[in-house]
Amino acid sequence: GAGVSQSPSNKVTEKGKDVELRCDPISGHTALYWYRQSLGQGLEFLIYFQGNSAPDKSGLPSDRFSAERTGGSVSTLTIQRTQQEDSAVYLCASSLRRREGEKLFFGSGTQLSVL
Amino acid sequence: QQQVKQSPQSLIVQKGGISIINCAYENTAFDYFPWYQQFPGKGPALLIAIRPDVSEKKEGRFTISFNKSAKQFSLHIMDSQPGDSATYFCAVKHGSSNTGKLIFGQGTTLQVKP
Repeated sequence: GAGVSQSPSNKVTEKGKDVELRCDPISGHTALYWYRQSLGQGLEFLIYFQGNSAPDKSGLPSDRFSAERTGGSVSTLTIQRTQQEDSAVYLCASSLRRREGEKLFFGSGTQLSVL
Repeated sequence: QQQVKQSPQSLIVQKGGISIINCAYENTAFDYFPWYQQFPGKGPALLIAIRPDVSEKKEGRFTISFNKSAKQFSLHIMDSQPGDSATYFCAVKHGSSNTGKLIFGQGTTLQVKP
């Protein structure tokens, strides 16, 4: 596709339910990032993928959060037993990961609301 | 611990005026300093970026000023337009990072009044 695609664009769930958020990066981009943006807050790094491996998971806030990437392309962020504090916009970004290509291309995000 | 501090949190400027947003950091190992622009309902998009070997970079109406000794960098928007109304984020990248991970500031909401 022309850009990074995320789905769903909006997700409302009940506390305690599991949710899966999907990211389709730009074709050919080997690096993929997940960030979280809470209301009025900056972008909080969650996890980085290079290909299918995740060498940096340092931003995942708890073991309820996990992510995977398959085929060097699509990534899924899973939040188990959702809590109200998980409500935020979850942003995915991809990049070519060359020095001159450190530009991150962001999707429009998934707005997650936990009731 | 916040690795990059951005100010102000919000800014209102008249059309044609200059908008200035500032960021400060502590770690001298950062080697890449981009600014991202985000419109409501959209993801952030790269606006302009600078590396520490230069003190200023200009692209159209947008300029980054970089002060290595003060560990500060700022975004200047000249002749601000209502279409510039958005949230702006500064970011930093660690020089030894092998991930390309960006650390973002808290963001500045800019409103340009017609």
